[in-house]
Amino acid sequence: KAGVTQTPRYLIKTRGQQVTLSCSPISGHRSVSWYQQTPGQGLQFLFEYFSETQRNKGNFPGRFSGRQFSNSRSEMNVSTLELGDSALYLCASSPPPNPGSTTKNIQYFGAGTRLSVL
Amino acid sequence: GEDVEQSLFLSVREGDSSVINCTYTDSSSTYLYWYKQEPGAGLQLLTYIFSNMDMKQDQRLTVLLNKKDKHLSLRIADTQTGDSAIYFCAETRAGKSTFGDGTTLTVKP
Repeated sequence: KAGVTQTPRYLIKTRGQQVTLSCSPISGHRSVSWYQQTPGQGLQFLFEYFSETQRNKGNFPGRFSGRQFSNSRSEMNVSTLELGDSALYLCASSPPPNPGSTTKNIQYFGAGTRLSVL
Repeated sequence: GEDVEQSLFLSVREGDSSVINCTYTDSSSTYLYWYKQEPGAGLQLLTYIFSNMDMKQDQRLTVLLNKKDKHLSLRIADTQTGDSAIYFCAETRAGKSTFGDGTTLTVKP
């Protein structure tokens, strides 16, 4: 089974531009979460999508948005990029809820997209 | 509130055991995880433990959970140079994981 796939792996943008990152979850997973990793702030939760609906959201400005498609693939968008948005953006997918399952909350991470804003 | 804390650095000699510690504050957490991150890579799930357990062993890895003190530890037996990485503990609720700042493990030959 293929793992979580994030594209592109690397991205260079300039201030003021916007960017779209893509995440394909593990087949059969319907929950996709996004995280931002920076040296100063560590790993911070952006948002989580399940069945095309945003279920949970972290403390990020409205410039950060996301969506999920019917095939569970997800995209996140950052508009009006700032230097501080330079980070590794990680996507994680989780298996669907299954009564009695002990794996439903486990998150499997992709390799990330490294965004540099110049 | 939610907060996860870890010591930032650990250095051991090859062949020794490594113990990485973590404290968390969300007593309602059901699942606690350990992830490994190598340079330039994403997070690799190493192991996890459920809050109704106090120990889990998986080959060279042993996880201990003290729920009363909200303390979690990861022991790596016979540490190898390939174990050098950053280790994160995390708690997950409702699709959101809260991570510690990570412990950088350096293994000296």
